[in-house]
Amino acid sequence: GAVVSQHPSRVICKSGTSVKIECRSLDFQATTMFWYRQFPKQSLMLMATSNEGSKATYEQGVEKDKFLINHASLTLSTLTVTSAHPEDSSFYICSANAYFGPGTRLTVL
Amino acid sequence: AQSVTQLGSHVSVSEGALVLLRCNYSSSVPPYLFWYVQYPNQGLQLLLKYTSAATLVKGINGFEAEFKKSETSFHLTKPSAHMSDAAEYFCAVSVGEVDSGYALNFGKGTSLLVTP
Repeated sequence: GAVVSQHPSRVICKSGTSVKIECRSLDFQATTMFWYRQFPKQSLMLMATSNEGSKATYEQGVEKDKFLINHASLTLSTLTVTSAHPEDSSFYICSANAYFGPGTRLTVL
Repeated sequence: AQSVTQLGSHVSVSEGALVLLRCNYSSSVPPYLFWYVQYPNQGLQLLLKYTSAATLVKGINGFEAEFKKSETSFHLTKPSAHMSDAAEYFCAVSVGEVDSGYALNFGKGTSLLVTP
């Protein structure tokens, strides 16, 4: 199947700092990518739809100023968690064309 | 809106026994249905997907699922469980092709335990 990568796989940061997570489609182009959040032992919650060349579409309740999404090219989308706080600690997963990245574990101290 | 319900948050089977994970969907339009597997601290791996072609869909690792419109179901089966099948399984639905910008709605997941 198609390959989607994420970087970093794990990040620990201090409260108040910003963290950028990259999502790449390695062997195909994707005009649309999706960002999900997963809490321990729970299902995936769609955060936003990343659209190449246009603004992302955020789900209700997701702060667009806190979770900045940029879809810079047909193979790259980035999620920046701005001014991170401990409650932002979670597992973030991106997807493109029904294929998912390996996820990024964010821990905010 | 579309949604899926996974019956049974935990399923336990013996090694070699039949695996049956249940998923029922609700959709106002013909659905696209997916099954994923997730191992601890990893992303999701696509097992199989139904996109309105054959109702019996064969996937990877010996899994298959049958789309039954009359029952609004898309249950996942495997004839003989392996220890390596122990993982979390998610059923998901969309109302269009995901590569056309349609997101997936996930069920709550079913944790499969395989005992020796």
